[in-house]
Amino acid sequence: QVQLQESGPGLVKPSQTLSLTCTVSGDSIRSSDYYWSWIRQQPGKGLEWIGYIYHSGTTYYNPSLKSRLTISVDTSNNHFSLKLASMTAADTAVYYCARVWVGVANNWFDPWGQGTLVSVSS
Amino acid sequence: QSVLIQPPSVSGTPGQRVTISCSGTSSSIGSNTVTWYQQLPGTAPKLLIFGNSQRPSGVPDRFSGSKSGTSASLAISGLQSEDEADYYCAAWDNSLNGRYVFGPGTKVTVL
Repeated sequence: QVQLQESGPGLVKPSQTLSLTCTVSGDSIRSSDYYWSWIRQQPGKGLEWIGYIYHSGTTYYNPSLKSRLTISVDTSNNHFSLKLASMTAADTAVYYCARVWVGVANNWFDPWGQGTLVSVSS
Repeated sequence: QSVLIQPPSVSGTPGQRVTISCSGTSSSIGSNTVTWYQQLPGTAPKLLIFGNSQRPSGVPDRFSGSKSGTSASLAISGLQSEDEADYYCAAWDNSLNGRYVFGPGTKVTVL
């Protein structure tokens, strides 16, 4: 059974860089079938796709976050990471990681991690 | 303004059939498949429907999805109290160099 677990700081100061890690168990991040993604949800709001990465390092980013975003993968430790620079209060959200099936005109996220709340405050 | 448009809320009584619409664009739903996610209160989203109408193992057949042109819908037959949740449609959008987009979500209330 595939499980994903987010980890990282619960509080970040404005202008700092957020670093989160998603540890994958029950599947290899080197799997040729899947990408690995970050999604976030601001308090009381809907879901926002952040980006995803393939084990080769190929990335796809949300254009609205691209200038501040880096997603990387560590195949040796079976985890992938997110770095989001210049954090503001608008980045306060629950951050989820998820496995992604990416096909031609067809993709979906399953399973999801439990999520980790990141607050931005001085 | 979301690329995908959903009604904010839908309600029904136990046993009733409810539907949630998801209206998109030619570059999103019109060109790619639709996925539906269920988010129960206080939990992470869960895959409900993929490929427009496919149910993952373990999802009751009370849930069904369909797509026509640039719109999609999720139907819940035989509504149950445990179906009270937020439901999100999603699809890849080919515009703006490509991005995955979620609808704003629909809150289903079981009366």
